[in-house]
Amino acid sequence: SQQGEEDPQALSIQEGENATMNCSYKTSINNLQWYRQNSGRGLVHLILIRSNEREKHSGRLRVTLDTSKKSSSLLITASRAADTASYFCATDLAGFQKLVFGTGTRLLVSP
Amino acid sequence: GAVVSQHPSRVICKSGTSVKIECRSLDFQATTMFWYRQFPKKSLMLMATSNEGSKATYEQGVEKDKFLINHASLTLSTLTVTSAHPEDSSFYICSADPPRAGGTDTQYFGPGTRLTVL
Repeated sequence: SQQGEEDPQALSIQEGENATMNCSYKTSINNLQWYRQNSGRGLVHLILIRSNEREKHSGRLRVTLDTSKKSSSLLITASRAADTASYFCATDLAGFQKLVFGTGTRLLVSP
Repeated sequence: GAVVSQHPSRVICKSGTSVKIECRSLDFQATTMFWYRQFPKKSLMLMATSNEGSKATYEQGVEKDKFLINHASLTLSTLTVTSAHPEDSSFYICSADPPRAGGTDTQYFGPGTRLTVL
């Protein structure tokens, strides 16, 4: 399977704390994307990092990419209860026109 | 931002019936749309890639005769689950890829359709 792995599977933190999620993948990529999904809803695109980039920021989000280790991390700083959701990484595989999603991390932020 | 809609949002049907799910890109043309399936608390699994005006490309293990895909226009793709069975119950999500060069880049996702087969 080409599917990536994410860890942790679940993460429970308090408001104000930082949340870090990791994603590992198996093959060469054009880019890696992070998506958020609220329960029973569609996906919302958060951030895209290209294979030649190492770090990217967007508001409270910070994404890193290490292509030598085939891994990425998503950091959410100063978390809020509204950040409670599932977060998925998705890789745009080189040579294929499709996204492969990771297994996801369920984040619970308690007030 | 780009909007993708799905209809219906929720459907309950009896075993043996067929169900059609529509995916529309509302403010852009999508030469390529994707259909995913998601089981509870699981990740999205790509079922097929739908290309306007040509046959869909199915992922390994997905029965093309059971999951019929039609991409008749640049703004509409449909997924028909034929002779549905309880094991087909799932959350089906589509996404649309605006035409661009050099890879998939960002896809725009629909809100999903919850299918329950009794």
